[in-house]
Amino acid sequence: DTAVSQTPKYLVTQMGNDKSIKCEQNLGHDTMYWYKQDSKKFLKIMFSYNNKELIINETVPNRFSPKSPDKAHLNLHINSLELGDSAVYFCASSRQALGEQYFGPGTRLTVT
Amino acid sequence: QKEVEQDPGPLSVPEGAIVSLNCTYSNSAFQYFMWYRQYSRKGPELLMYTYSSGNKEDGRFTAQVDKSSKYISLFIRDSQPSDSATYLCAMRAQGGRRALTFGSGTRLQVQP
Repeated sequence: DTAVSQTPKYLVTQMGNDKSIKCEQNLGHDTMYWYKQDSKKFLKIMFSYNNKELIINETVPNRFSPKSPDKAHLNLHINSLELGDSAVYFCASSRQALGEQYFGPGTRLTVT
Repeated sequence: QKEVEQDPGPLSVPEGAIVSLNCTYSNSAFQYFMWYRQYSRKGPELLMYTYSSGNKEDGRFTAQVDKSSKYISLFIRDSQPSDSATYLCAMRAQGGRRALTFGSGTRLQVQP
């Protein structure tokens, strides 16, 4: 009964490749997020979708493109991967107007 | 200067000790305050959620918010080895952006 799930859990790929990470939540929330956690454990918001509408788009290279096919899913596509993209990417969700965000288990991306 | 400051630790305590974890922040618009626990290679898990100033207790955990000092704390009573993890404070303003601003996390080690 995983609330927020992500696939894959680990992703190892070479520079220049294009990859996607998928996220699904079964909490009935209408807002979903992508965060990036660097090697120093610092979590930083990348994107947020509310009811399939992009509401937060931080200063992220346009090689990163989120897509929300419906309220329960938020995917992250990354083009032309670079070494600096290596990090753990977390998906999260929340109910509108509330601050409690629930996180997925993370996707550990390693770019070689 | 970061919006949210948190001592990275590590903080090492003996089992049964009372642990105090703290964050300071600079944005007076923050109204919602959260504490997350993150075990190694796992997603952040919501522990405590408070609105505005005051205290909130849940089992062995107590969260305190002092908005006048821009200071929040998490106390853990009767600490257990299973409490060993990284603790992240997070906060957000009311309305508008729903993204959380995180501290960098404090690593706690409870020695048996």
